Amino acid sequence: DTEVTQTPKHLVMGMTNKKSLKCEQHMGHRAMYWYKQKAKKPPELMFVYSYEKLSINESVPSRFSPECPNSSLLNLHLHALQPEDSALYLCASSQGQGGSNQPQHFGDGTRLSIL
Amino acid sequence: GQNIDQPTEMTATEGAIVQINCTYQTSGFNGLFWYQQHAGEAPTFLSYNVLDGLEEKGRFSSFLSRSKGYSYLLLKELQMKDSASYLCADGYGGATNKLIFGTGTLLAVQP
Repeated sequence: DTEVTQTPKHLVMGMTNKKSLKCEQHMGHRAMYWYKQKAKKPPELMFVYSYEKLSINESVPSRFSPECPNSSLLNLHLHALQPEDSALYLCASSQGQGGSNQPQHFGDGTRLSIL
Repeated sequence: GQNIDQPTEMTATEGAIVQINCTYQTSGFNGLFWYQQHAGEAPTFLSYNVLDGLEEKGRFSSFLSRSKGYSYLLLKELQMKDSASYLCADGYGGATNKLIFGTGTLLAVQP
């Protein structure tokens, strides 16, 4: 079990659906992240929130919309996704900004399938 | 830019020692992380190096040479449960906590 909780664990949706992925941590971390991971590939950074503000958007298409309601929660809103968006979506958190020795702690991910 | 290289696959025997290498070419280097990821699970943090030298943590050790852009993860007394993907990641970007992952090394431990 990880200290970063993601829901749902699995999600199947059509290309016209709207859904949200949720992530929660109670470690007092102030930086939270979304990654996308395709099979047999490393995680790819999508978004970084630092102190509840979006600090990095890695040129992610607008059909992915992140939201950070408070320091413990991170959402990823999905709309009009494409089949190639099927992947494992990982949430992570770390103490705060500054790479130094602040490892990121990952959730178990949401496995997303787009029909 | 970032260019992080690792071997794609490795095989080792239970009880043995294995070294997984990682080379990187980055600007704004901010430390080198190693993560373990079992199939279908979350990556878990193993080690962090920002200064040259060896960091030891039980059966796992990690080494860094900044001048050579080189790191390795050393796993001793291999166990079957060590079969996993090992990801090297550069903490890139100065003030921002941005991880750029290498391609990962899939380690198979055989009896």
